[in-house]
Amino acid sequence: NAGVTQTPKFRVLKTGQSMTLLCAQDMNHEYMYWYRQDPGMGLRLIHYSVGEGTTAKGEVPDGYNVSRLKKQNFLLGLESAAPSQTSVYFCASSYFRRRENIQYFGAGTRLSVL
Amino acid sequence: EDQVTQSPEALRLQEGESSSLNCSYTVSGLRGLFWYRQDPGKGPEFLFTLYSAGEEKEKERLKATLTKKESFLHITAPKPEDSATYLCAGITNAGKSTFGDGTTLTVKP
Repeated sequence: NAGVTQTPKFRVLKTGQSMTLLCAQDMNHEYMYWYRQDPGMGLRLIHYSVGEGTTAKGEVPDGYNVSRLKKQNFLLGLESAAPSQTSVYFCASSYFRRRENIQYFGAGTRLSVL
Repeated sequence: EDQVTQSPEALRLQEGESSSLNCSYTVSGLRGLFWYRQDPGKGPEFLFTLYSAGEEKEKERLKATLTKKESFLHITAPKPEDSATYLCAGITNAGKSTFGDGTTLTVKP
């Protein structure tokens, strides 16, 4: 049981380049989340999804797009990377039931934009 | 706007010295309040979920409590292996989550 897997683990981009981060979960969770974490800070929600084919904006959505074409995958895209997007990106997934909402996190993707 | 504020930012304790971490929250339509532990270079790991004011959960040396405005994470007789960043988060009924900036705990032997 792999849980939540993020690909890639590390990436260096030049300003203006594009890339896609992949998050895959094998727990049949309905909800999936993308966060960024800057040094010394907590997690800030970028986008989230409450089910296949649906997405919603979080706290810091600008400069990012997402897609959830399959229940087990949640993709985060950067169309034109900027140095301000240098961060560690975490994906999480969860059930969403009355008393079962625990988010399980991946190991993170460390992105540097030069 | 939903807000979660944690204090203190950093806490240094001697082994065996008990203390508490605070999480103040203003989250509209709160479904649950969560505590996570994060070790350097890793993703957060779940500790507790609290759903109702007055609820308490315990696990080893940790105990989490919830009021209508705050949650506390009490650490009793901490050990060096308890050193980590502790994150608090609120999740709404729509599934949207808001995290605090965390408290970095260092326990010295």
